[in-house]
Amino acid sequence: AQSVAQPEDQVNVAEGNPLTVKCTYSVSGNPYLFWYVQYPNRGLQFLLKYITGDNLVKGSYGFEAEFNKSQTSFHLKKPSALVSDSALYFCAVIDYGQNFVFGPGTRLSVLP
Amino acid sequence: DAGVTQSPTHLIKTRGQQVTLRCSPKSGHDTVSWYQQALGQGPQFIFQYYEEEERQRGNFPDRFSGHQFPNYSSELNVNALLLGDSALYLCASSLNYLRDTQYFGPGTRLTVL
Repeated sequence: AQSVAQPEDQVNVAEGNPLTVKCTYSVSGNPYLFWYVQYPNRGLQFLLKYITGDNLVKGSYGFEAEFNKSQTSFHLKKPSALVSDSALYFCAVIDYGQNFVFGPGTRLSVLP
Repeated sequence: DAGVTQSPTHLIKTRGQQVTLRCSPKSGHDTVSWYQQALGQGPQFIFQYYEEEERQRGNFPDRFSGHQFPNYSSELNVNALLLGDSALYLCASSLNYLRDTQYFGPGTRLTVL
């Protein structure tokens, strides 16, 4: 069965520093991978997705993610973190049933 | 371009009651999926509707049911509410049910007392 792991419950980074939020996945076949962000008491906002093509995917708000097939990873990155990036981040994969399987989430705190 | 909308924003019910949540998809989208997000957890898939039919279903009891209307809007119904049904219920829409990006609404916060 498809699954997603986000090994870090919490990531703290200083404003202006690069950030990485980790995601690993387990799927059969070619993965469709997504990152979403959730602000307090809000729904999920789409950041970016990987379906095929370049392993480095660029998305909204300066975020990017690197797909690594050999390590089955899809880490979210940003070169310079902002305090406003503080939120809950979810990695997701589409399973054979065409439905999203979400990871448990990683809380990102960007400290001023 | 209107995004996904959900109503109501908040809802308080007591155990045993029934509840109906509503969702209007993003303009141009024809597929609606429902998710339950318990506090501190990732969203869990409930079911998906396309062409007014339930296409996929997650691991939820049949107390959870839904409907999709000809205008693509959707309802989620939960019968015989339990305390454990307290959660944020998220609706997501997509252009079709085949591996497309899903766009989420703000959610309905259900509290069962």
